[in-house]
Amino acid sequence: RKEVEQDPGPFNVPEGATVAFNCTYSNSASQSFFWYRQDCRKEPKLLMSVYSSGNEDGRFTAQLNRASQYISLLIRDSKLSDSATYLCVGNTGNQFYFGTGTSLTVIP
Amino acid sequence: DGGITQSPKYLFRKEGQNVTLSCEQNLNHDAMYWYRQDPGQGLRLIYYSQIVNDFQKGDIAEGYSVSREKKESFPLTLTSAQQNPTAFYLCASSARWSGTVRPVEQYFGPGTRLTVT
Repeated sequence: RKEVEQDPGPFNVPEGATVAFNCTYSNSASQSFFWYRQDCRKEPKLLMSVYSSGNEDGRFTAQLNRASQYISLLIRDSKLSDSATYLCVGNTGNQFYFGTGTSLTVIP
Repeated sequence: DGGITQSPKYLFRKEGQNVTLSCEQNLNHDAMYWYRQDPGQGLRLIYYSQIVNDFQKGDIAEGYSVSREKKESFPLTLTSAQQNPTAFYLCASSARWSGTVRPVEQYFGPGTRLTVT
């Protein structure tokens, strides 16, 4: 079983919609989690980190449920520029475990 | 500007040639990592180093070698033993985990896209 698993999508949503991605992890010792966005043929860029119950930054909210071992990312009021692949990452010490990513396309 | 640089951005090589990819960071991070990403797939860890002169194999180290002689630099060499080297190679760095609850964030360089024919 993979350390971190994500629904690959694709998610196609209209501009202005709210979209949520879920991610599950298998290592209960994981200390913190991250969401990265990766544009086509570019490097991943850190979007949010979460190590307590959740974190919010503008239109983006990340939540962590340690009892059920899942992390979610909520994007409100989707913009065309939000189209990208979103990577869920778990962290234990200096080890990072990447999901395969969820593809999002925001449609005009 | 602080960050991670990788060079070159694109690299073309003939099969059987050794290749060295450069990674330099000025973030004063102790830990550095090399990942490989294939089309439509997630990142796979090749090697990582938590301190100068020390490094560990990741999940797919066969056919690769690294060195960590300086804190700022972590070059990756692909030997002729690497079966399928064509991929997008990403270097990353992070502070060393200090045992606290605060997250250790990892930052990526722009990547090197290697094509071997």
